[in-house]
Amino acid sequence: KQEVTQIPAALSVPEGENLVLNCSFTDSAIYNLQWFRQDPGKGLTSLLLIQSSQREQTSGRLNASLDKSSGRSTLYIAASQPGDSATYLCAVEYNAGNMLTFGGGTRLMVKP
Amino acid sequence: ETGVTQSPTHLIKTRGQQVTLRCSSQSGHNTVSWYQQALGQGPQFIFQYYREEENGRGNFPPRFSGLQFPNYSSELNVNALELDDSALYLCASSARLAGAYNEQFFGPGTRLTVL
Repeated sequence: KQEVTQIPAALSVPEGENLVLNCSFTDSAIYNLQWFRQDPGKGLTSLLLIQSSQREQTSGRLNASLDKSSGRSTLYIAASQPGDSATYLCAVEYNAGNMLTFGGGTRLMVKP
Repeated sequence: ETGVTQSPTHLIKTRGQQVTLRCSSQSGHNTVSWYQQALGQGPQFIFQYYREEENGRGNFPPRFSGLQFPNYSSELNVNALELDDSALYLCASSARLAGAYNEQFFGPGTRLTVL
């Protein structure tokens, strides 16, 4: 069974800290991996998409890495801000077809 | 360019009723996927429609059904509602061209509450 797990489920940090969110997946034969942000009760905003042939992607203060052999991805957030407070979801696409398998998310709170 | 829109934003139903949720895909997109997100969990894939036909399905019972129209908008229908159907229902659209799928974009969701 293809599963995606995110640890921790919740994280609270003071403003300015650098932090790492973790995502693991059981089947390394992935097509791509995507990180999303979700604000309470809202839809999903795509942050970064990593193709299976890539090792990392960067956008502003965000950096996502992918290690297929170990079945892991990390989302690094530099210099966290209160506006970064949200739930971060990791999703794996196993076959080209936009059918995503999501992790349970990490709920991040950045305190001023 | 208009993004993915969903209607209604909120809906309250009782057990046993039927519900229809609607999704308008982003301009130029021909593929629509539906996801169910229970409170505190990640979204789960329900099914996908491409050119008005079901193109893939997750682990959901037949009482979850869908339609895609010629303009690529889509409906999700749920019959015989159960309490566990209470969730945020997300629609995502993407462009499938020459067999290749491009990145999908999500709508704001419909919050369904079953009493």
